[in-house]
Amino acid sequence: DVKVTQSSRYLVKRTGEKVFLECVQDMDHENMFWYRQDPGLGLRLIYFSYDVKMKEKGDIPEGYSVSREKKERFSLILESASTNQTSMYLCASRGQGGGNYEQYFGPGTRLTVT
Amino acid sequence: KQEVTQIPAALSVPEGENLVLNCSFTDSAIYNLQWFRQDPGKGLTSLLLIQSSQREQTSGRLNASLDKSSGRSTLYIAASQPGDSATYLCAVTGGSQGNLIFGKGTKLSVKP
Repeated sequence: DVKVTQSSRYLVKRTGEKVFLECVQDMDHENMFWYRQDPGLGLRLIYFSYDVKMKEKGDIPEGYSVSREKKERFSLILESASTNQTSMYLCASRGQGGGNYEQYFGPGTRLTVT
Repeated sequence: KQEVTQIPAALSVPEGENLVLNCSFTDSAIYNLQWFRQDPGKGLTSLLLIQSSQREQTSGRLNASLDKSSGRSTLYIAASQPGDSATYLCAVTGGSQGNLIFGKGTKLSVKP
């Protein structure tokens, strides 16, 4: 059974803190993604990775960085958290090649920055 | 730039009714279209994936259709139940990087 897990369901951090959000998938997928979801704005892509140590900017990368040292794990880093980064963060993974484009999502992390 | 629109933004129906959710996209050059369900405060659950060469997909009481030429997809839910209450999101995969572009969703409420 397909599984994407995220390290925390809820997280409260202070302005200026460095924040790590972890995502792990067990499907041996090449592609992994980080989105944020905000009311009225929908899901927006922050970063994605198509291979270990590879990363590409999405639509809203400012204030974020990512790390992918192992195929199954993709981390989102907020270098210095700000209140406008309060949001729901969703991780996803997807296989590669042919018609194998179904994307699977984790349960999400609700981050509040105070 | 690809844009995905979902109409209506919210829908309330009595239990047992058949209903249709609509999704439209501006660029027909897509690899596939995916329908998701999202419960409040939760992640996304994939419901159906339609490849660009397909016209429809079915899973239980759900049927999704795709008309690439007109840039439209519909999700048909038969005999709706209160447990179907959720937000339904449509997304297309396309572009040079093959990433998902999402609509803003339709919030469905099924009243007992």
